[in-house]
Amino acid sequence: QSVLTQPPSVSAAPGQKVTISCSGSSSNIGNNYVSWYQQLPGTAPKLLIYENDKRPSGIPDRFSGSKSGTSATLGITGLQTGDEADYYCGTWDISLSDNYVFGTGTKVTVL
Amino acid sequence: QVNLVQSGAEVKKPGASLKVSCEASGYTFTTYGISWVRQAPGQGLEWMGWVSPYNGNTKFAQNFQGRVTMTTDTSTSTAYMELRSLRSDDTAVYYCARETVPGTYNYWGQGTLVTVSS
Repeated sequence: QSVLTQPPSVSAAPGQKVTISCSGSSSNIGNNYVSWYQQLPGTAPKLLIYENDKRPSGIPDRFSGSKSGTSATLGITGLQTGDEADYYCGTWDISLSDNYVFGTGTKVTVL
Repeated sequence: QVNLVQSGAEVKKPGASLKVSCEASGYTFTTYGISWVRQAPGQGLEWMGWVSPYNGNTKFAQNFQGRVTMTTDTSTSTAYMELRSLRSDDTAVYYCARETVPGTYNYWGQGTLVTVSS
């Protein structure tokens, strides 16, 4: 069981906004940068957000990240059918001998 | 462009060992660390560990300590992950991923499906 907790699923209609939370502790999110990954069915994960709120080149600004205390949030605006995927947060955890940990994952469904 | 190409699918018996390769191209191999991540069927992502192609340093997740080895061959720009004493719950897709800064994995291999079954 992961030390980073995400809601199992979120859903919204096309064009709407969804937010995905990632809850941790001071040993992980509270003292480290958070990344977010998108995994489309049957494919490798793809980096969406790094260092809490930065987007790699090519990632549209519909995707945003933020962090406050021991929680992080991914936001997706203007939801598209192509956004239907699993989303994972990730960060380092100093209580686990500086191991990297992924969140439990959230399935985004476009209604 | 950066590319990570992994070895093909494997079927292993319980107790056997597994070695997956990840050939990198499109950048200077020794500049960035490589991590290995696995995903059991229908489950989430699990970080297994990290290796530095620059000096061979490694870091492993507690769940795999003593059972995993990660190495690199700089002459072929290839990273390897070896997992021993396989069990049925090691059945998963194994990914290699290249970091840009620690914990930021910009590039991923295509994944290698490993099935452990008697």
